[in-house]
Amino acid sequence: AQSVTQLDSHVSVSEGTPVLLRCNYSSSYSPSLFWYVQHPNKGLQLLLKYTSAATLVKGINGFEAEFKKSETSFHLTKPSAHMSDAAEYFCVVSDSRDDKIIFGKGTRLHILP
Amino acid sequence: DSGVTQTPKHLITATGQRVTLRCSPRSGDLSVYWYQQSLDQGLQFLIQYYNGEERAKGNILERFSAQQFPDLHSELNLSSLELGDSALYFCASSGQGMAQIETQYFGPGTRLLVL
Repeated sequence: AQSVTQLDSHVSVSEGTPVLLRCNYSSSYSPSLFWYVQHPNKGLQLLLKYTSAATLVKGINGFEAEFKKSETSFHLTKPSAHMSDAAEYFCVVSDSRDDKIIFGKGTRLHILP
Repeated sequence: DSGVTQTPKHLITATGQRVTLRCSPRSGDLSVYWYQQSLDQGLQFLIQYYNGEERAKGNILERFSAQQFPDLHSELNLSSLELGDSALYFCASSGQGMAQIETQYFGPGTRLLVL
Protein backbone atom coordinates (compact mmCIF):
# COMPACT_ATOMS: atom_id res chain seq x y z
CA ALA A 1 0.00 0.00 0.00
CA GLN A 2 1.11 3.51 -0.67
CA SER A 3 1.37 6.38 1.74
CA VAL A 4 2.91 9.82 1.83
CA THR A 5 4.01 11.88 4.81
CA GLN A 6 4.74 15.56 4.73
CA LEU A 7 6.86 16.07 7.77
CA ASP A 8 5.99 19.72 8.46
CA SER A 9 2.52 21.21 8.46
CA HIS A 10 3.97 24.77 8.45
CA VAL A 11 7.31 26.12 7.30
CA SER A 12 8.42 29.75 7.65
CA VAL A 13 11.42 31.18 5.83
CA SER A 14 12.65 34.69 5.15
CA GLU A 15 12.49 36.09 1.65
CA GLY A 16 15.71 35.31 -0.22
CA THR A 17 16.60 32.27 1.90
CA PRO A 18 16.39 28.60 0.82
CA VAL A 19 13.19 26.59 1.03
CA LEU A 20 13.02 22.92 2.04
CA LEU A 21 9.68 21.10 2.18
CA ARG A 22 10.03 17.50 3.26
CA CYS A 23 8.15 14.50 1.93
CA ASN A 24 8.58 10.80 2.63
CA TYR A 25 6.68 8.12 0.79
CA SER A 26 5.95 4.44 0.97
CA SER A 27 5.26 2.42 -2.14
CA SER A 28 5.48 -1.26 -2.97
CA TYR A 29 6.48 -0.61 -6.55
CA SER A 30 8.18 2.06 -8.57
CA PRO A 31 6.32 5.21 -7.63
CA SER A 32 5.46 8.34 -9.50
CA LEU A 33 5.82 11.39 -7.31
CA PHE A 34 4.42 14.85 -7.72
CA TRP A 35 4.48 18.19 -5.99
CA TYR A 36 1.47 20.45 -6.38
CA VAL A 37 1.06 24.02 -5.13
CA GLN A 38 -2.19 25.66 -4.05
CA HIS A 39 -2.33 29.42 -3.69
CA PRO A 40 -5.11 30.88 -1.54
CA ASN A 41 -8.54 30.40 -3.07
CA LYS A 42 -7.07 28.71 -6.13
CA GLY A 43 -6.95 25.20 -7.53
CA LEU A 44 -3.87 23.02 -7.40
CA GLN A 45 -1.09 23.49 -9.92
CA LEU A 46 1.56 20.93 -10.81
CA LEU A 47 5.06 22.06 -9.81
CA LEU A 48 6.98 18.99 -10.90
CA LYS A 49 6.74 15.27 -11.48
CA TYR A 50 9.08 12.29 -11.10
CA THR A 51 8.40 9.16 -13.16
CA SER A 52 11.59 7.05 -12.97
CA ALA A 53 13.73 9.16 -15.27
CA ALA A 54 16.27 11.59 -13.81
CA THR A 55 16.28 11.60 -10.02
CA LEU A 56 16.67 15.37 -9.85
CA VAL A 57 13.54 16.94 -11.23
CA LYS A 58 13.28 20.62 -12.09
CA GLY A 59 9.92 22.28 -11.94
CA ILE A 60 8.35 25.64 -12.45
CA ASN A 61 9.20 28.84 -10.55
CA GLY A 62 12.71 27.64 -9.63
CA PHE A 63 11.61 24.63 -7.59
CA GLU A 64 13.26 21.26 -7.81
CA ALA A 65 13.00 17.91 -6.02
CA GLU A 66 15.32 14.97 -5.68
CA PHE A 67 14.08 11.38 -5.60
CA LYS A 68 16.12 9.36 -3.09
CA LYS A 69 15.07 5.75 -3.12
CA SER A 70 17.32 4.74 -0.23
CA GLU A 71 15.70 7.38 1.98
CA THR A 72 12.20 7.06 0.43
CA SER A 73 12.16 10.83 0.18
CA PHE A 74 11.16 13.41 -2.39
CA HIS A 75 11.94 16.75 -0.75
CA LEU A 76 11.11 20.01 -2.52
CA THR A 77 13.69 22.79 -2.56
CA LYS A 78 14.21 26.28 -3.89
CA PRO A 79 17.44 28.27 -3.50
CA SER A 80 15.82 31.61 -2.78
CA ALA A 81 12.27 32.17 -1.54
CA HIS A 82 10.04 34.83 -3.01
CA MET A 83 6.96 36.36 -1.41
CA SER A 84 4.83 34.85 -4.18
CA ASP A 85 5.86 31.35 -3.02
CA ALA A 86 3.59 31.65 0.02
CA ALA A 87 1.10 28.84 -0.54
CA GLU A 88 0.24 25.30 0.45
CA TYR A 89 2.29 22.50 -1.08
CA PHE A 90 1.15 18.93 -1.53
CA CYS A 91 3.35 15.89 -2.08
CA VAL A 92 1.59 13.14 -4.02
CA VAL A 93 2.46 9.51 -4.66
CA SER A 94 1.07 7.04 -7.14
CA ASP A 95 2.24 3.83 -8.72
CA SER A 96 1.19 2.21 -11.94
CA ARG A 97 0.42 -1.15 -10.39
CA ASP A 98 -1.77 0.07 -7.56
CA ASP A 99 -3.07 2.92 -9.71
CA LYS A 100 -4.18 5.02 -6.80
CA ILE A 101 -3.13 8.54 -6.07
CA ILE A 102 -2.46 9.59 -2.48
CA PHE A 103 -2.10 13.22 -1.41
CA GLY A 104 -0.09 14.29 1.59
CA LYS A 105 -1.73 16.53 4.17
CA GLY A 106 0.06 19.58 2.84
CA THR A 107 2.71 22.00 4.07
CA ARG A 108 1.86 25.66 4.36
CA LEU A 109 4.83 27.81 3.39
CA HIS A 110 5.05 31.27 4.97
CA ILE A 111 7.50 33.82 3.60
CA LEU A 112 8.73 36.46 6.03
CA PRO A 113 9.74 39.88 4.65
CA ASP B 1 -5.40 29.03 -16.06
CA SER B 2 -5.49 25.22 -16.18
CA GLY B 3 -8.26 24.99 -18.80
CA VAL B 4 -10.55 23.15 -16.38
CA THR B 5 -13.71 25.05 -15.49
CA GLN B 6 -16.04 24.51 -12.58
CA THR B 7 -19.42 26.02 -11.81
CA PRO B 8 -20.67 27.46 -9.60
CA LYS B 9 -17.77 29.07 -7.72
CA HIS B 10 -19.75 29.33 -4.52
CA LEU B 11 -22.82 27.53 -3.28
CA ILE B 12 -24.73 28.07 -0.06
CA THR B 13 -27.49 25.67 0.84
CA ALA B 14 -29.26 24.09 3.78
CA THR B 15 -28.97 20.71 5.43
CA GLY B 16 -30.98 18.00 3.72
CA GLN B 17 -30.80 19.65 0.32
CA ARG B 18 -29.27 18.36 -2.92
CA VAL B 19 -26.80 20.20 -5.15
CA THR B 20 -25.03 19.56 -8.43
CA LEU B 21 -21.51 20.69 -9.18
CA ARG B 22 -20.33 20.88 -12.76
CA CYS B 23 -16.92 20.42 -14.32
CA SER B 24 -15.66 20.87 -17.86
CA PRO B 25 -12.28 19.23 -18.47
CA ARG B 26 -9.48 20.57 -20.63
CA SER B 27 -10.08 20.09 -24.30
CA GLY B 28 -9.13 16.54 -25.28
CA ASP B 29 -8.81 15.20 -21.73
CA LEU B 30 -10.69 11.96 -21.16
CA SER B 31 -10.35 11.57 -17.40
CA VAL B 32 -12.16 13.61 -14.79
CA TYR B 33 -11.44 13.39 -11.07
CA TRP B 34 -13.37 14.81 -8.15
CA TYR B 35 -11.78 15.79 -4.83
CA GLN B 36 -13.05 17.17 -1.56
CA GLN B 37 -10.86 19.50 0.48
CA SER B 38 -11.79 20.34 4.05
CA LEU B 39 -9.82 21.65 7.01
CA ASP B 40 -10.11 18.48 9.05
CA GLN B 41 -9.82 15.83 6.29
CA GLY B 42 -7.40 17.55 3.93
CA LEU B 43 -7.60 16.73 0.23
CA GLN B 44 -9.47 13.50 -0.46
CA PHE B 45 -9.97 11.75 -3.77
CA LEU B 46 -13.64 10.98 -4.38
CA ILE B 47 -14.04 9.41 -7.81
CA GLN B 48 -12.57 9.20 -11.30
CA TYR B 49 -14.33 8.88 -14.63
CA TYR B 50 -12.61 7.94 -17.87
CA ASN B 51 -14.36 8.51 -21.19
CA GLY B 52 -17.81 8.24 -19.62
CA GLU B 53 -17.16 5.23 -17.40
CA GLU B 54 -16.42 5.10 -13.69
CA ARG B 55 -12.73 4.21 -13.35
CA ALA B 56 -11.86 4.43 -9.66
CA LYS B 57 -13.55 5.22 -6.38
CA GLY B 58 -12.05 6.81 -3.34
CA ASN B 59 -13.67 8.02 -0.15
CA ILE B 60 -16.98 8.93 -1.74
CA LEU B 61 -20.08 8.75 0.44
CA GLU B 62 -23.17 6.88 -0.73
CA ARG B 63 -25.05 10.20 -0.65
CA PHE B 64 -22.72 11.46 -3.37
CA SER B 65 -22.75 10.38 -6.99
CA ALA B 66 -21.12 11.50 -10.19
CA GLN B 67 -21.36 10.98 -13.91
CA GLN B 68 -19.47 11.92 -17.04
CA PHE B 69 -21.46 12.79 -20.13
CA PRO B 70 -20.69 12.06 -23.81
CA ASP B 71 -19.24 15.56 -24.23
CA LEU B 72 -16.90 14.61 -21.32
CA HIS B 73 -18.15 17.18 -18.86
CA SER B 74 -18.90 15.79 -15.43
CA GLU B 75 -21.33 16.46 -12.62
CA LEU B 76 -21.01 15.66 -8.94
CA ASN B 77 -24.32 15.29 -7.14
CA LEU B 78 -24.42 15.72 -3.39
CA SER B 79 -27.66 14.83 -1.62
CA SER B 80 -29.07 14.84 1.92
CA LEU B 81 -26.44 17.42 2.70
CA GLU B 82 -24.97 17.66 6.18
CA LEU B 83 -23.00 20.43 7.86
CA GLY B 84 -19.86 18.33 7.51
CA ASP B 85 -20.17 18.36 3.72
CA SER B 86 -19.11 22.01 3.70
CA ALA B 87 -15.84 21.98 1.79
CA LEU B 88 -14.04 22.97 -1.36
CA TYR B 89 -14.76 20.54 -4.18
CA PHE B 90 -12.20 20.29 -6.94
CA CYS B 91 -12.40 18.76 -10.33
CA ALA B 92 -9.28 17.76 -12.24
CA SER B 93 -8.72 16.33 -15.67
CA SER B 94 -5.95 14.40 -17.36
CA GLY B 95 -5.17 13.38 -20.90
CA GLN B 96 -5.54 10.28 -22.96
CA GLY B 97 -4.39 7.72 -20.40
CA MET B 98 -6.68 6.37 -17.73
CA ALA B 99 -4.07 5.77 -15.06
CA GLN B 100 -3.99 8.05 -12.07
CA ILE B 101 -0.28 8.68 -12.56
CA GLU B 102 -1.17 10.96 -15.44
CA THR B 103 -0.61 14.63 -14.66
CA GLN B 104 -3.82 16.16 -13.42
CA TYR B 105 -4.94 19.71 -14.12
CA PHE B 106 -7.15 21.20 -11.46
CA GLY B 107 -10.07 23.55 -11.75
CA PRO B 108 -10.54 26.52 -9.39
CA GLY B 109 -13.00 24.62 -7.21
CA THR B 110 -16.54 25.07 -5.93
CA ARG B 111 -16.87 26.23 -2.35
CA LEU B 112 -19.90 24.61 -0.74
CA LEU B 113 -21.32 25.92 2.50
CA VAL B 114 -24.09 23.93 4.16
CA LEU B 115 -26.04 25.85 6.82
